[in-house]
Amino acid sequence: DQQVKQNSPSLSVQEGRISILNCDYTNSMFDYFLWYKKYPAEGPTFLISISSIKDKNEDGRFTVFLNKSAKHLSLHIVPSQPGDSAVYFCAARNYGGSQGNLIFGKGTKLSVKP
Amino acid sequence: KAGVTQTPRYLIKTRGQQVTLSCSPISGHRSVSWYQQTPGQGLQFLFEYFSETQRNKGNFPGRFSGRQFSNSRSEMNVSTLELGDSALYLCASSRTSGSVNEQFFGPGTRLTVL
Repeated sequence: DQQVKQNSPSLSVQEGRISILNCDYTNSMFDYFLWYKKYPAEGPTFLISISSIKDKNEDGRFTVFLNKSAKHLSLHIVPSQPGDSAVYFCAARNYGGSQGNLIFGKGTKLSVKP
Repeated sequence: KAGVTQTPRYLIKTRGQQVTLSCSPISGHRSVSWYQQTPGQGLQFLFEYFSETQRNKGNFPGRFSGRQFSNSRSEMNVSTLELGDSALYLCASSRTSGSVNEQFFGPGTRLTVL
């Protein structure tokens, strides 16, 4: 059973507009959430994270929102740039759980068109 | 500062063979985690090693094993390869166990099983 879900496999956005990537989770024991960006032929790179005790974290053009009651988080990129085109993975940590460090979603491929 | 390196970058094997993949973490990092990425399952946690000890293990069969050396370098081994083992194998290093927000990924080893 997939505990972290990214229901949109792909997203296309115009340069300068907002990109919103969504992620849903099922395990209420997750205490930390992260977003990673992955370019082809490279490993994922950490983008931004949020603790379960917060509802928003901002870093430059990137903002992550967490809605614990809905078990939903989203990544906002404003303004979107062509260099943001990549696959974005949502990940969650089950602190003290038996499934290891991080549980990842399957990713959303973002395409930012000039 | 050198990043996480993985060797080899590409590998082709046939069913029934075994394979060993290598990961050199960032200098000073003592934790190494391994992940398998496939189109169907996304990124899945295999195991984590810290100070030469396996700390966590994901839901993979015993054909998947690993080890860590005193210099923190890690290897993972897959025996009796199956077609479904074709994937990108990623390792990630961090200073301490559980530091998921400070986890740096290598570029991965692309394994193809024929």
